[in-house]
Amino acid sequence: EAEVAQSPRYKITEKSQAVAFWCDPISGHATLYWYRQILGQGPELLVQFQDESVVDDSQLPKDRFSAERLKGVDSTLKIQPAELGDSAMYLCASSLRADTQYFGPGTRLTVL
Amino acid sequence: EDQVTQSPEALRLQEGESSSLNCSYTVSGLRGLFWYRQDPGKGPEFLFTLYSAGEEKEKERLKATLTKKESFLHITAPKPEDSATYLCAVQAYNSGGYQKVTFGTGTKLQVIP
Repeated sequence: EAEVAQSPRYKITEKSQAVAFWCDPISGHATLYWYRQILGQGPELLVQFQDESVVDDSQLPKDRFSAERLKGVDSTLKIQPAELGDSAMYLCASSLRADTQYFGPGTRLTVL
Repeated sequence: EDQVTQSPEALRLQEGESSSLNCSYTVSGLRGLFWYRQDPGKGPEFLFTLYSAGEEKEKERLKATLTKKESFLHITAPKPEDSATYLCAVQAYNSGGYQKVTFGTGTKLQVIP
């Protein structure tokens, strides 16, 4: 069964450092999403791609966060510099036609 | 702004004790309502999509229903392995014409043997 892949699974970094997360969606899925989930809360959308284009990044803190999906397949989310409040689970999801989303295992980020 | 409210926040059941989780929503132009299961430290696992009021879907001990204002996830004779957080999400069009999904905060279910 096809799955969304994410790496790394865990990341520990010090504040002010740069971090990057990678996501490989299910093959053929045109829509890719990055979410942030704080413990005890639901996922919050950071950015949504349709192929290689950003269609929603209204909740992305653009002063420190960036995301790209250069060839419309895999994607990278970067934080520079990381802050203590960025500690969370970062989830990637993909969907075939912006319908049902399938999630990856997530990256647990801890900022010290 | 789209809103999703789930209740209760936490639910503790004895094995075999059936119950329901509630998801109430406020959205302009519902495109779909989703239920996910999330185990600790893992990504959400897709369970159901419901598109219109009156629709029902079942999977093993779970049954999801939809009205114009809320959805219920019924759990019949739960087992300890059903323990997880259950997330509800709604999909609607955003101002840019693309479909946006808004999640609730989830119901944490614990089933005791």
